Amino acid sequence: GENVEQHPSTLSVQEGDSAVIKCTYSDSASNYFPWYKQELGKRPQLIIDIRSNVGEKKDQRIAVTLNKTAKHFSLHITETQPEDSAVYFCAASIEGNTPLVFGKGTRLSVIA
Amino acid sequence: NAGVMQNPRHLVRRRGQEARLRCSPMKGHSHVYWYRQLPEEGLKFMVYLQKENIIDESGMPKERFSAEFPKEGPSILRIQQVVRGDSAAYFCASSPPPLGNEQFFGPGTRLTVL
Repeated sequence: GENVEQHPSTLSVQEGDSAVIKCTYSDSASNYFPWYKQELGKRPQLIIDIRSNVGEKKDQRIAVTLNKTAKHFSLHITETQPEDSAVYFCAASIEGNTPLVFGKGTRLSVIA
Repeated sequence: NAGVMQNPRHLVRRRGQEARLRCSPMKGHSHVYWYRQLPEEGLKFMVYLQKENIIDESGMPKERFSAEFPKEGPSILRIQQVVRGDSAAYFCASSPPPLGNEQFFGPGTRLTVL
């Protein structure tokens, strides 16, 4: 089955700097890759996703890149703000209503 | 449009009791997933249901755990004879038909087993 590895497990950046979180997956059939943000005690919230037919997607300060050949995808947050502090999870699945396989999460701390 | 609803938000049970967790998907969504999150860990898939059908239960322990999504009413995750290791946050997510990939999560139920 699918296995998703996520790095780093913790990340501290200064406010205004960029943050990058990387994930790798094992199942070449996976073609849907969402990213979730989870604040302490809250629900995971979908912040961006990418499908395998594109290599990059951007939404304001957040971007995701996908390299299908290497089976890895990354989340980029630019101009970080203290409210970006949270745990971020990557996930992978096969498109068409299949369960998500999650990475173990990255705890991002943005220091003001 | 209300989001995914879960109740109760917090549930305390003693060892050996039963826990019932409820999930109402977003309006128009007919697919429900249950995930378990242990402290400081990621989410692990348990079971995927559509109305009146279990589609995939490969992540759910065969004993003590069951799930349903009846024609009317919420989806229910049931844990019988709870043990301390069942203490976790249980999240459900829903997605729209027919091939919706986006899964939207409820607020979770935090189960504590004493």
